[in-house]
Amino acid sequence: DAGITQSPRYKITETGRQVTLMCHQTWSHSYMFWYRQDLGHGLRLIYYSAAADITDKGEVPDGYVVSRSKTENFPLTLESATRSQTSVYFCASSDLRTPQPQHFGDGTRLSIL
Amino acid sequence: EDKVVQSPLSLVVHEGDTVTLNCSYEVTNFRSLLWYKQEKKAPTFLFMLTSSGIEKKSGRLSSILDKKELFSILNITATQTGDSAVYLCAVYNNNDMRFGAGTRLTVKP
Repeated sequence: DAGITQSPRYKITETGRQVTLMCHQTWSHSYMFWYRQDLGHGLRLIYYSAAADITDKGEVPDGYVVSRSKTENFPLTLESATRSQTSVYFCASSDLRTPQPQHFGDGTRLSIL
Repeated sequence: EDKVVQSPLSLVVHEGDTVTLNCSYEVTNFRSLLWYKQEKKAPTFLFMLTSSGIEKKSGRLSSILDKKELFSILNITATQTGDSAVYLCAVYNNNDMRFGAGTRLTVKP
């Protein structure tokens, strides 16, 4: 089915480990996004991408790395996980001509011990 | 600093009631305001508003934007238990998109 899928759905890891969250969309949307959602903060943009090989920082990019070698994939890597990065991470995509997310994945719940 | 404030934070109503959710904002270079519904998982896009005074409508949901007073409202008429969710408002300027903390709506049978 067409859509946007995230993996894994749940992840538990330890501080200092590298973690990669995957995001795949089948619509060929130009824009893709990564958000984190925490109580009291709502959704905050980490990074977004306007097209393959084009990425930009969002509101809270520190400690995260993204890449977009193919239009359909937009992985998010935590290079050295910290407890403050425990959160629910949402990937999103958009076929609008501006970076406004339309379609969200089901999220990855990441716990860092 | 840009900010988006939603009110109320939570709301409990009974089926059949009409509710109004509020979103006020202070952002530079405003471009658009978006509403989403979030149930257990992913937010679902509802509306995008760019012009003042033009109502967007989808079934029992409607929304309008006031760019002079810097707010938007989301109305839900004849509420159903399936409307129970967190409703998110987000404002986009040229560089960034800021989300409010959301309004948690609970509709009781």
